[in-house]
Amino acid sequence: GAVVSQHPSWVICKSGTSVKIECRSLDFQATTMFWYRQFPKQSLMLMATSNEGSKATYEQGVEKDKFLINHASLTLSTLTVTSAHPEDSSFYICSARNREGAGNTIYFGEGSWLTVV
Amino acid sequence: QQQVKQSPQSLIVQKGGISIINCAYENTAFDYFPWYQQFPGKGPALLIAIRPDVSEKKEGRFTISFNKSAKQFSLHIMDSQPGDSATYFCAATREGTGNQFYFGTGTSLTVIP
Repeated sequence: GAVVSQHPSWVICKSGTSVKIECRSLDFQATTMFWYRQFPKQSLMLMATSNEGSKATYEQGVEKDKFLINHASLTLSTLTVTSAHPEDSSFYICSARNREGAGNTIYFGEGSWLTVV
Repeated sequence: QQQVKQSPQSLIVQKGGISIINCAYENTAFDYFPWYQQFPGKGPALLIAIRPDVSEKKEGRFTISFNKSAKQFSLHIMDSQPGDSATYFCAATREGTGNQFYFGTGTSLTVIP
């Protein structure tokens, strides 16, 4: 099946610093990538929808200046958590939607654990 | 408003039994309904999906039943195994590259030996 790679798998950073998480579709072109946040034992919360070559669309309540999303190519989207604080600690997951017709589904990355200390 | 409602929140099933997870949706424009399986610390993985032109889809031990008039769909896991213990999410979306997926709240399945 389609593979979406997310890097890093886990990261620890100091409060006030910025962290970048990469999401790559390895064997297909993704016009749309989604970024989610997931708290323990909870569902996925959509943060933003990222379309290649255009600005991301953020969900209500998500600070776009704090969670910077860049979708520079059909295979790469990045999420940068700026000025991270302990409350930003979470599991961040990306997903990519296959550009081609039959690939309507989305494929998830393995997720990135962010711990802000 | 929760677009997709999922139940139960947690489920314990004996090995060899049938696990059933139910979902209901609101938007009749949805036309694609996938199920995802998530193990702790991992991203969700696509398990099986259905479109509303069929009422049932089976892949191995996993079956989706779809009731368009009731706006409900369910996942059945036959001969449940301890390795099936995971969190399961149903989702719904409309075809089209820009449309988001709406997820249920998840069901934690535990299959006991």
